[in-house]
Amino acid sequence: NAGVTQTPKFQVLKTGQSMTLQCAQDMNHNSMYWYRQDPGMGLRLIYYSASEGTTDKGEVPNGYNVSRLNKREFSLRLESAAPSQTSVYFCASSKSQGDTQYFGPGTRLTVL
Amino acid sequence: QKEVEQNSGPLSVPEGAIASLNCTYSDRGSQSFFWYRQYSGKSPELIMSIYSNGDKEDGRFTAQLNKASQYVSLLIRDSQPSDSATYLCAASKPYNFNKFYFGSGTKLNVKP
Repeated sequence: NAGVTQTPKFQVLKTGQSMTLQCAQDMNHNSMYWYRQDPGMGLRLIYYSASEGTTDKGEVPNGYNVSRLNKREFSLRLESAAPSQTSVYFCASSKSQGDTQYFGPGTRLTVL
Repeated sequence: QKEVEQNSGPLSVPEGAIASLNCTYSDRGSQSFFWYRQYSGKSPELIMSIYSNGDKEDGRFTAQLNKASQYVSLLIRDSQPSDSATYLCAASKPYNFNKFYFGSGTKLNVKP
C-alpha cells in the first residue's frame, strides 16, 4: 500500500515555464487536496476536490489550476511559474470531508 | 489574527520529561482538530485527532480539547529524542469540512 504518491520529488523551473505536479492515492479516498508550505506560513490550501468530478479553490489558488483525473489522481498545474511559487507542495487525501488527511512526500519546487 | 495560532518555539525538554504543546483557534464553529508531526524535510503525519471536549489518550500522547476556551493541546509523556520534530495543529473550518486551518507549527527539541 503506497498511500499518497507525488511526482516529481524535486523540480527547478525558470520564470514563465509551466509544469504539472502529479498526485495519486491508492486508499480509495474521495477527497484530495493540494497544499503549499512556506517557512513560517504553515500549510496553505491551494485547491481541493471533495469528490471525483469536483474541484474548488482554497486559500491561495491564484496561478494554479487542478484536474481531478479520476478517483485516484489529482494534478496541479502551474501555467506560468513565478519565483513566488517557490515552495514545497504537498498532496493529501481523506476518506471524506472532515476526516484525517494523509499526506504525500512532497515536491520541492524552485522557480528561478 | 491567524485562524490557528501556535508558539513557534523551539520548545526544549529533557529526555523523559513531559512536553506540552498548545494551540488556539479563532473560529468557534470548528469541529475537528488534528495534531500532525513533521520531521525536517518530510511530510506531515497524523499523531492524534480529537472531536469532543476532554482528553484523548493514545500511548504516550494525550490530546486535550476545550471548545469553550478554543484551545487544543498535545502532551507527550516520556519524551524521546525521536520526538524532536515540528508539531502542526489543524482545525476544520465550519460549514466546509474539506478545508482545514493549519498552524505554522511548534518545533520541539528533546535533549538526551
